[in-house]
Amino acid sequence: NAGVMQNPRHLVRRRGQEARLRCSPMKGHSHVYWYRQLPEEGLKFMVYLQKENIIDESGMPKERFSAEFPKEGPSILRIQQVVRGDSAAYFCASSPPLAGNNEQFFGPGTRLTVL
Amino acid sequence: ELKVEQNPLFLSMQEGKNYTIYCNYSTTSDRLYWYRQDPGKSLESLFVLLSNGAVKQEGRLMASLDTKARLSTLHITAAVHDLSATYFCAVGSGGSNYKLTFGKGTLLTVNP
Repeated sequence: NAGVMQNPRHLVRRRGQEARLRCSPMKGHSHVYWYRQLPEEGLKFMVYLQKENIIDESGMPKERFSAEFPKEGPSILRIQQVVRGDSAAYFCASSPPLAGNNEQFFGPGTRLTVL
Repeated sequence: ELKVEQNPLFLSMQEGKNYTIYCNYSTTSDRLYWYRQDPGKSLESLFVLLSNGAVKQEGRLMASLDTKARLSTLHITAAVHDLSATYFCAVGSGGSNYKLTFGKGTLLTVNP
């Protein structure tokens, strides 16, 4: 059973470009979470999605950031018009539905560098 | 707003010694998680603590949870170099405790 997959692992963008980060959850998992980790910091919750639904996006910046988890295919975190402050590691996690302990399994992360 | 504080943030210890990392949180929760992160890597789940008084052990690591004190501890026994990593605690909140709020992490270095 493959773990949570993320790609790309490293992404370099110039200011003003768009960044698209992809996450494929573990097999059998229908809940996806995105977190951002700034250097020397813990992870910060961004958004929680189920298939075709955004459940909680309270951690998403109000502008430029969006997320989706379509019926088919991976979850996408999209950052438009990137700025240097967006440079961070973005981690995706997944969990199965109705998990008793809601344990989340993390992917390897995408390290975004904005030049 | 839920706040999670870990201490110490940096810990340098010798092999064979014991130490404890503390995780305090500000609001009621009965879901606490410990993760390990190696440099440039993802987070590896170590422990899931679900109730007051829960204690779990794996090898040289033991985690406990006191929900009344809003405190979890990660105890390291007879440290070895392989334990060098950053350790995070995370507290669940939200309807099914899905929203994890992380501490800043404890960078543990075990010296020979």
